[in-house]
Amino acid sequence: SQELEQSPQSLIVQEGKNLTINCTSSKTLYGLYWYKQKYGEGLIFLMMLQKGGEEKSHEKITAKLDEKKQQSSLHITASQPSHAGIYLCGADVSNYGQNFVFGPGTRLSVLP
Amino acid sequence: DTAVSQTPKYLVTQMGNDKSIKCEQNLGHDTMYWYKQDSKKFLKIMFSYNNKELIINETVPNRFSPKSPDKAHLNLHINSLELGDSAVYFCASTLGGWNTEAFFGQGTRLTVV
Repeated sequence: SQELEQSPQSLIVQEGKNLTINCTSSKTLYGLYWYKQKYGEGLIFLMMLQKGGEEKSHEKITAKLDEKKQQSSLHITASQPSHAGIYLCGADVSNYGQNFVFGPGTRLSVLP
Repeated sequence: DTAVSQTPKYLVTQMGNDKSIKCEQNLGHDTMYWYKQDSKKFLKIMFSYNNKELIINETVPNRFSPKSPDKAHLNLHINSLELGDSAVYFCASTLGGWNTEAFFGQGTRLTVV
């Protein structure tokens, strides 16, 4: 079973629409990382969040880590076909950095 | 049953040694990968194998060599280990290519002293 859950499992949106992907854990997250799995390039690092309530943005992608540090959301504004891919969250679930796990991924398709 | 399993989970070894990390998947997937995660949690793809054929080989030192005895296994062999090789190594597999869901092993923390 996955220690990190992601929802939705897959998502199809029209170009220009906003969307949100969630990553949830039953444990406290000591570091939360978002990656994008892109064809031919492997996993690409997007963002890292460590503090409860932290929010970071890069271009049209915003990620938040909730105050309890058990859930993160990835929000894409005005989606484009280039945003398509599989988004994975990864996290340290131990405060000694000894246990890093990945979520199952969310497949995003953006229709032109 | 663990879908993707790596052994060992922890490995501490001296500089100059040769070591192997094993990876097995019981999902019937066609493609397996090795990633290196550095101290900043950046993931870098090292190799991928599809039906015993190496299809991606990033700019990693040739001291690293993947070995795939069959479709369910992709082992990582490292010669002449260096301090900079210390990292967490993740094995993963996908049913198809990059556009299919990846399943990851639990990681192998390698420490070179």
